[in-house]
Amino acid sequence: KNQVEQSPQSLIILEGKNCTLQCNYTVSPFSNLRWYKQDTGRGPVSLTIMTFSENTKSNGRYTATLDADTKQSSLHITASQLSDSASYICVVSDRGSTLGRLYFGRGTQLTVWP
Amino acid sequence: EADIYQTPRYLVIGTGKKITLECSQTMGHDKMYWYQQDPGMELHLIHYSYGVNSTEKGDLSSESTVSRIRTEHFPLTLESARPSHTSQYLCASSDGTSGKNEQFFGPGTRLTVL
Repeated sequence: KNQVEQSPQSLIILEGKNCTLQCNYTVSPFSNLRWYKQDTGRGPVSLTIMTFSENTKSNGRYTATLDADTKQSSLHITASQLSDSASYICVVSDRGSTLGRLYFGRGTQLTVWP
Repeated sequence: EADIYQTPRYLVIGTGKKITLECSQTMGHDKMYWYQQDPGMELHLIHYSYGVNSTEKGDLSSESTVSRIRTEHFPLTLESARPSHTSQYLCASSDGTSGKNEQFFGPGTRLTVL
């Protein structure tokens, strides 16, 4: 069964600190993995997208890594800001269908305190 | 920011009412999707469309229906709303030509059925 598991479920950090969010997946055949940021009451917004051959990608203070062999990804946030408070969702796409089906994790709820 | 819009943003209605959630995109994308998301849970695909006059049911069974008469418009209808339909509904679109099938999400409609 294709699944995406994220940890931790929730995380509280102080402003200015770094943090790392984890994602493990069993989706096969793998196409790409993306991290989305979802603010409360809003739709998800894409942060990074990585294909099989890419093992790291950065977007400002966000750096995602991918180990396709172990089927693990992480999202590292540097020098956190209050606006980083949101749910971070790991999404894996398969290449087994023309639809390019997406499999969603439940997200990590990040809260940044001043 | 993606050009995909949803209305209404919030809707509170009584049981048995018929409702239509609107979704429009101005990017000319062929593929469109409807997802359902409960608090703290992953997104579940309930409907999708490859293009005009194409509609398919997603992974999660839903009593809602959709139509795709125009490329830019993908409304979702509930003929008789029930409290079990209370949820957040997210619309998304993708062009399907980039190979990465990147989906752009609307802001969502928060539906509450009393």
